Amino acid sequence: DVKVTQSSRYLVKRTGEKVFLECVQDMDHENMFWYRQDPGLGLRLIYFSYDVKMKEKGDIPEGYSVSREKKERFSLILESASTNQTSMYLCASSTGGTNEKLFFGSGTQLSVL
Amino acid sequence: EDQVTQSPEALRLQEGESSSLNCSYTVSGLRGLFWYRQDPGKGPEFLFTLYSAGEEKEKERLKATLTKKESFLHITAPKPEDSATYLCAVSGMVLGGSEKLVFGKGTKLTVNP
Repeated sequence: DVKVTQSSRYLVKRTGEKVFLECVQDMDHENMFWYRQDPGLGLRLIYFSYDVKMKEKGDIPEGYSVSREKKERFSLILESASTNQTSMYLCASSTGGTNEKLFFGSGTQLSVL
Repeated sequence: EDQVTQSPEALRLQEGESSSLNCSYTVSGLRGLFWYRQDPGKGPEFLFTLYSAGEEKEKERLKATLTKKESFLHITAPKPEDSATYLCAVSGMVLGGSEKLVFGKGTKLTVNP
């Protein structure tokens, strides 16, 4: 069965901390994505990657960076966490272009105090 | 600007009471329309992809249909386990020839026994 695994289910950090969110997929998918989900705003794309060492900005990249050193792993980095980055973070992967279905992880609920 | 609007925001049904969820969209060059189901505290799970007007897909008590302007997710004789948030997403062409996936805010369905 296909699987996208996010390293933490819940995370509590302090303002100014550097935060790493890790995502691993076991499906040999080329594409990986990071979304955040907030009540009333829906899913918003932060960054995505179509290949190893490649990254593209999504709709809301400010305050975030990403790393994809290996095909199966896509990391989201909050360089200096702020309270407005408190959110549910969802990682996803897919085989092809944006007309292919996404496989999502279970999410990381991040609270920045 | 590409938009995806889902209605209603929330829907309460009695077990066995059939209904429909709506997803209306404006996008240039539709590449695909997706329906996902999301349970509380989990990532979205893929249900259907529709590619062209007139297409229909079915899975158990769910049936998705597509026109040029909207999609419906019909739920026939729902059960309490159908309670979830249903997300619609549209893949289309944006300026510059690239593709973009846009999510709606979802419909929260509650089915009471």
